[in-house]
Amino acid sequence: NAGVTQTPKFRVLKTGQSMTLLCAQDMNHEYMYWYRQDPGMGLRLIHYSVGEGTTAKGEVPDGYNVSRLKKQNFLLGLESAAPSQTSVYFCASSYSPPSGIYNEQFFGPGTRLTVL
Amino acid sequence: RKEVEQDPGPFNVPEGATVAFNCTYSNSASQSFFWYRQDCRKEPKLLMSVYSSGNEDGRFTAQLNRASQYISLLIRDSKLSDSATYLCVVNRQAGTALIFGKGTTLSVSS
Repeated sequence: NAGVTQTPKFRVLKTGQSMTLLCAQDMNHEYMYWYRQDPGMGLRLIHYSVGEGTTAKGEVPDGYNVSRLKKQNFLLGLESAAPSQTSVYFCASSYSPPSGIYNEQFFGPGTRLTVL
Repeated sequence: RKEVEQDPGPFNVPEGATVAFNCTYSNSASQSFFWYRQDCRKEPKLLMSVYSSGNEDGRFTAQLNRASQYISLLIRDSKLSDSATYLCVVNRQAGTALIFGKGTTLSVSS
């Protein structure tokens, strides 16, 4: 099993460009998440999904859109990139819901995005 | 008060030392508690869940104090390989997502 994979691993964008980050998991997990991690800020939830075809906003959703057309994939889109979106983006998935006592989130290796 | 607070450290300890981290949380309705480990430039990975009665996994012991709203992680007989950032994770409330602390950095030296 590959677990959680993310594409691409690195990307440099110019302000105003758009891009899509792809997350895939092969563990048949219902729940998937997108986080960003910035120095001194910790991990912050952008959007999450509780199942195929459903998405919900997290803590910092502005400037991002997501889609979950297939259970195994969760896409994160930046419509018009800004320098403030320079960050490391982590995708995660879990079998149990976020509130579950035994919830364990499995993370992908991350995408390092720089917006110039 | 921030939802989850941790001392960022760094904690610099020699091999074999015992080290403890604390984490405080603000929402008394929180039900799930975890410690994750994150190596430099890597993804976070679950270290252990924290149960109400406290739990141990080898050299690692986690404790929960609901009255004071803090959780702790004790590492005994530190190894070089324990060097990492340890993230305290709490759920905001039932049905919503997890909140990650900013992490505590541990550096174990020989």
